[in-house]
Amino acid sequence: SSELTQDPAVSVALGQTVRITCQGDSLRTYYASWYQQKPGQAPVLVIYGRNNRPSGIPDRFSGSSSGNTASLTITGAQAEDEADYYCNCRDSSGNHRVFGGGTKLTVL
Amino acid sequence: EAQLVESGGGLVQPGRSLRLSCAASGFTFDDYAMHWVRQAPGKGLEWVSGITWNSGSIGYADSVKDRFTISRDNAKKSLYLQMNSLRTEDTALYYCAKENSGGYSNWFDPWGQGTLVTVSS
Repeated sequence: SSELTQDPAVSVALGQTVRITCQGDSLRTYYASWYQQKPGQAPVLVIYGRNNRPSGIPDRFSGSSSGNTASLTITGAQAEDEADYYCNCRDSSGNHRVFGGGTKLTVL
Repeated sequence: EAQLVESGGGLVQPGRSLRLSCAASGFTFDDYAMHWVRQAPGKGLEWVSGITWNSGSIGYADSVKDRFTISRDNAKKSLYLQMNSLRTEDTALYYCAKENSGGYSNWFDPWGQGTLVTVSS
C-alpha cells in the first residue's frame, strides 16, 4: 500500500486563492480525486481525473497534478468553502484505495 | 439520481459481529464497483474495502483484513459488509460509495449518509 500526505490545516482570506496539496508515490501513476466534507455531512466529490468538476461544483474549484503531488485550488474562496478536504487515489498496487489525512480549510 | 442508503449499524461488544447493508437506487448497480469507507469520531476518512461489479476482485485495508468480508447482491442492488471480531478501534461512521472510473482515475460519487458502528463493552 501507499500513503497520501496532506497538510493538516490551511487558511485563506475571503476572496483569495488557496492551494491544498496531496503527496504520494501513487500520484505519479494515478490521478487524485478530491472530497469536501462539512461537519455532520457525508463527503462530496469536488474534483476528479485530470481536472473535472461534477455538476453543481463551482468553477472556482480546480485540480492539477505534477510528479508525486496533486493539488486542489480554490480561486476566490468563499465562506461556504470552509470544510475538511480529502484526496484519494489508488495505491501503488492499483488494487486498494487510500485517503490523505485531510486538510482543514479555514476561510478568514 | 443515484442514491445510497446504509443500515445495520449499532452498539456491539468487542469480539462480536455486525452486518452492514447499503441499498442502491437510481443507477445500474451491477455496472459499478462499490466500496466501504469509514470515519472514526473526529478523525479522517479511511478506505475499508472494495468490490468490483461482478465480485471478481475484492480488496481490504490491512486494518480489517481477515475480519471483515465485503459482498454484493446485484439482483437486490445491495452491498454488504460482514464485520467479525470487532474491536473498539472499529468504532466509526461507515459510508458506502459508488466508484466511477476512467483511465488512470477513480472517484467515489455518490456517498451514502453513513451508519454508525460503536464497539464498546
